[in-house]
Amino acid sequence: QQQVKQSPQSLIVQKGGISIINCAYENTAFDYFPWYQQFPGKGPALLIAIRPDVSEKKEGRFTISFNKSAKQFSLHIMDSQPGDSATYFCAATSSGGYQKVTFGTGTKLQVIP
Amino acid sequence: DAGITQSPRHKVTETGTPVTLRCHQTENHRYMYWYRQDPGHGLRLIHYSYGVKDTDKGEVSDGYSVSRSKTEDFLLTLESATSSQTSVYFCAISDFRQGESDEQYFGPGTRLTVT
Repeated sequence: QQQVKQSPQSLIVQKGGISIINCAYENTAFDYFPWYQQFPGKGPALLIAIRPDVSEKKEGRFTISFNKSAKQFSLHIMDSQPGDSATYFCAATSSGGYQKVTFGTGTKLQVIP
Repeated sequence: DAGITQSPRHKVTETGTPVTLRCHQTENHRYMYWYRQDPGHGLRLIHYSYGVKDTDKGEVSDGYSVSRSKTEDFLLTLESATSSQTSVYFCAISDFRQGESDEQYFGPGTRLTVT
């Protein structure tokens, strides 16, 4: 059962453009929404995360937008760079203690010069 | 990088043979996880541990068992490997503390091929 749906599966963006990846969840008990970035041959690493008490969180060129009523959240990468080329996973969990994290299926981003 | 190592990093094995993957951490984190990563499926939880000798099943646990005899080590065993278990396996750790990040830290992965 896919509780976190992620789209698109792949994305090609011109250098300097905006990359947008969308996720939707079903379980209203989720209260922590991280995004992980994975480079080829490496394990995923936390990029940015948000809790549902805010609608937006920005860290440098990366922004999460969160819509609690629609149960949707998205990652925006401003001024995309070739070094941002990676696979991005959204995730959702109930925070505290053991984390049963549910991951999206991933978006492979390619930023072309 | 968080102090997580996985061994072996690559393994090719034959159908029906037992395989054990090892995850070792130096962070003294309480929680440890085994995931498998397959195209189109993202990361799926196999088993997790919430303390020494305390483990439980994830969403894709059939055909896998785990053991945790020490805080730092979490072993994943495929009792009788099948081709459907060809995948990349990731270990992760976390250590929730009130008011802090719920981040999971991932190891470098083990690529397993079952022929």
